[in-house]
Amino acid sequence: SQTIHQWPATLVQPVGSPLSLECTVEGTSNPNLYWYRQAAGRGLQLLFYSVGIGQISSEVPQNLSASRPQDRQFILSSKKLLLSDSGFYLCAWSVTSGYEQYFGPGTRLTVT
Amino acid sequence: GIQVEQSPPDLILQEGANSTLRCNFSDSVNNLQWFHQNPWGQLINLFYIPSGTKQNGRLSATTVATERYSLLYISSSQTTDSGVYFCAVEGRGGSYIPTFGRGTSLIVHP
Repeated sequence: SQTIHQWPATLVQPVGSPLSLECTVEGTSNPNLYWYRQAAGRGLQLLFYSVGIGQISSEVPQNLSASRPQDRQFILSSKKLLLSDSGFYLCAWSVTSGYEQYFGPGTRLTVT
Repeated sequence: GIQVEQSPPDLILQEGANSTLRCNFSDSVNNLQWFHQNPWGQLINLFYIPSGTKQNGRLSATTVATERYSLLYISSSQTTDSGVYFCAVEGRGGSYIPTFGRGTSLIVHP
């Protein structure tokens, strides 16, 4: 069966510090991968998605970036965090477009 | 892009009550999912239902694609049903971009 992992679970970082969040999927090959952010107030905002290694599409211009160095690994990064980067970051995968998405447990990021 | 509206935004129930949550979308869809976000933030898949009706225990869902809406029914609600319910759709434009509604926050009191 497929599983999705995210770490760390929680993170407190000062403004201006770098960020690296990791997501890995097990039990499937060449999945679509997604990064979402959920700020207070509930809505999920799609940040990046990837349909293959090295293929990243950005939905929202900001100081975050994403990379997919391996088939089942998706990394969210920032060189310098802003206060507005605080939120709950969720990684998700699907077999391909049009199929069910499955979410990881999330990382709660607080920028101080 | 496709617009997704969920109603009601907030719902408070007594244990044992039934409820209906609605999701309206603005265009034809390839994919529609219902999720439950528990108090710890985990998004749990409830239904993958681009059309038709499905049931899983006390929960059921119906999507009428031609009329661009989906309904999630919760019967005999329990306190563990509390959380936020999201509808997410993927339009038929060939993109890989799921669009989420803003959710319905449900609180079930004992």
